[in-house]
Amino acid sequence: AQKITQTQPGMFVQEKEAVTLDCTYDTSDPSYGLFWYKQPSSGEMIFLIYQGSYDQQNATEGRYSLNFQKARKSANLVISASQLGDSAMYFCAMREGLNTGGFKTIFGAGTRLFVKA
Amino acid sequence: DAEITQSPRHKITETGRQVTLACHQTWNHNNMFWYRQDLGHGLRLIHYSYGVQDTNKGEVSDGYSVSRSNTEDLPLTLESAASSQTSVYFCASSEGQGGSYEQYFGPGTRLTVT
Repeated sequence: AQKITQTQPGMFVQEKEAVTLDCTYDTSDPSYGLFWYKQPSSGEMIFLIYQGSYDQQNATEGRYSLNFQKARKSANLVISASQLGDSAMYFCAMREGLNTGGFKTIFGAGTRLFVKA
Repeated sequence: DAEITQSPRHKITETGRQVTLACHQTWNHNNMFWYRQDLGHGLRLIHYSYGVQDTNKGEVSDGYSVSRSNTEDLPLTLESAASSQTSVYFCASSEGQGGSYEQYFGPGTRLTVT
């Protein structure tokens, strides 16, 4: 069964507008972490933001924020004020078993974001 | 500066040949990972290791093997390459156990099996 689901294969957004990329996950472990990575056309993987399952507040990093809804098992990435350089593939990832030293990280299929001028 | 490198960056091989992809990191991270990236599948975990002499199978380990003889290196071997193993392979490393440690990725190796 898929543990990380990204239902939007591709999305378009107008420059300067906000966009939400969806991510749902499946785990029975109470201690886990959620990550978002960006992969531009050049191919490298860039870490964006992290949310722990016990974190009380939604994570934010500059124009990136994570809309964490624990009961719904969703961890959507919100990009505010989109820029042309935000055009890329975005991956959601999960690490389970944080309180037992877990480090194995699995990824979703990704969402390709296109920012229009 | 610390980094993680992969070699070769591009490789074409024939079906049935043994192929080894190298991964070397200078972060001194205990945790290392191999993923393959295919359209529609994202990144799928092949093998991972939390330290010297430790290796674990991931989601798609059939046909692949790894060994960890030191902290810096985790080579990935395709015992008998198949066309289904044509993919882009990423190596990654991370610090520590659990927690918010992000992964640092290598630049990737594009492997074509003909």
